[in-house]
Amino acid sequence: QVQLVQSGVEVKKPGASVMVSCKASGYTFTTYGLSWVRQAPGQGLEWMGWISTYNHKTNYAQKVQGRVTMTTDTSTSTAYMELRSLRSDDTAVYYCARVAWEPADGFDFWGQGTLVIVSS
Amino acid sequence: EIVLTQSPGTLSLSPGERATLSCRTSQRVSSSYLAWYQQKPGQAPRFLIYGASRRATGIPDRFSGSGSGTDFTLTISRLEPEDFAVYYCQQYGDSPTWTFGQGTKVEIK
Repeated sequence: QVQLVQSGVEVKKPGASVMVSCKASGYTFTTYGLSWVRQAPGQGLEWMGWISTYNHKTNYAQKVQGRVTMTTDTSTSTAYMELRSLRSDDTAVYYCARVAWEPADGFDFWGQGTLVIVSS
Repeated sequence: EIVLTQSPGTLSLSPGERATLSCRTSQRVSSSYLAWYQQKPGQAPRFLIYGASRRATGIPDRFSGSGSGTDFTLTISRLEPEDFAVYYCQQYGDSPTWTFGQGTKVEIK
């Protein structure tokens, strides 16, 4: 069965960086793209970016462009999302999500989420 | 950038009732590019509907999607206790990009 298992809670100070991992299993990793979505406390879902697990091409949302880097390690079927220059409004649950075979269909499987707290 | 506006913000209904949720887009979008998700407190979103009207694997047939152009609807024919949750619509764009609506909360009346 498809599973996306994310790394644990992170607490960071403003200005620091955080890296969240997402380990995939149950399917061929390089066949499906991955997206990252975040959700601030009590707020809605915000798409952050996408990475092709096949050729490592990326596309980032304008809001985080310049601060975010998404990568993958195909040898371990793991995706990573690094966010730099953290601010208090980056406090959120960060999700990785598998992009469906047809990308227009959406995100068919999700990780359990990783809480990132940014606080001095 | 296409903006998705969901209404109402909160829907208060009783189990067994019908729920009708709206998602309006600021520009016409292909119905192939519209999806819906369900999210319960403390959980990741769950993939419900894609292509505006196609149920994802394992989704009960009380969930249905419809619409075209700029107006899309998610209908839950008879609410079960486990259906009380927040629902999000999502649109796919070029590059690729994805955009979510702000969500509709379906709560127990």
